[in-house]
Amino acid sequence: QKEVEQNSGPLSVPEGAIASLNCTYSDRGSQSFFWYRQYSGKSPELIMSIYSNGDKEDGRFTAQLNKASQYVSLLIRDSQPSDSATYLCAVNKAGSSNTGKLIFGQGTTLQVKP
Amino acid sequence: GAGVSQSPRYKVAKRGQDVALRCDPISGHVSLFWYQQALGQGPEFLTYFQNEAQLDKSGLPSDRFFAERPEGSVSTLKIQRTQQEDSAVYLCASSEYRGGYEQYFGPGTRLTVT
Repeated sequence: QKEVEQNSGPLSVPEGAIASLNCTYSDRGSQSFFWYRQYSGKSPELIMSIYSNGDKEDGRFTAQLNKASQYVSLLIRDSQPSDSATYLCAVNKAGSSNTGKLIFGQGTTLQVKP
Repeated sequence: GAGVSQSPRYKVAKRGQDVALRCDPISGHVSLFWYQQALGQGPEFLTYFQNEAQLDKSGLPSDRFFAERPEGSVSTLKIQRTQQEDSAVYLCASSEYRGGYEQYFGPGTRLTVT
């Protein structure tokens, strides 16, 4: 079992729809969770961080965390073609919280079709 | 403000050569991380610095890999006697605090070993 799992996709949604990206993690003690967006040939760009159970909204993005289910998700409302990218889920590994070492999933490719 | 910078952006090395990759983090950021990203995969942790102290090098794949951050700002990742399996994108990230907080990535160095 991978430590952080994501469906590699591609996830295809029409422009204006809600895109839902999901991530599960295995280390129950993990405390910090991040979503990065990575365009092809570029480096990861931080778009959301979440530290406590529940929802966190920032513009068109909502991150959701459920520690009991070891599940974190990212919702993108009113999806735009410019949102087409790979979305990486990253988890701060428990036990290394003094360092902040991140464990990444393999990423989900999102395609938003005009 | 200025983000994380890395140089060179691209490096081609012949098998057996030594290479040095540079990272200049965001000014004042305490934490600095190196990650390695293979094509189609999420980044994988290599090593972590808190100021000038290397606190975690558990991800370095072999003793051919060496990193330093002597004055607590710029960091260099050195790979000795490069092998084809070292071909990847090397990403540097910095964080304002120690611990599991937001990390910001540089553009990466794409290393190709021929």
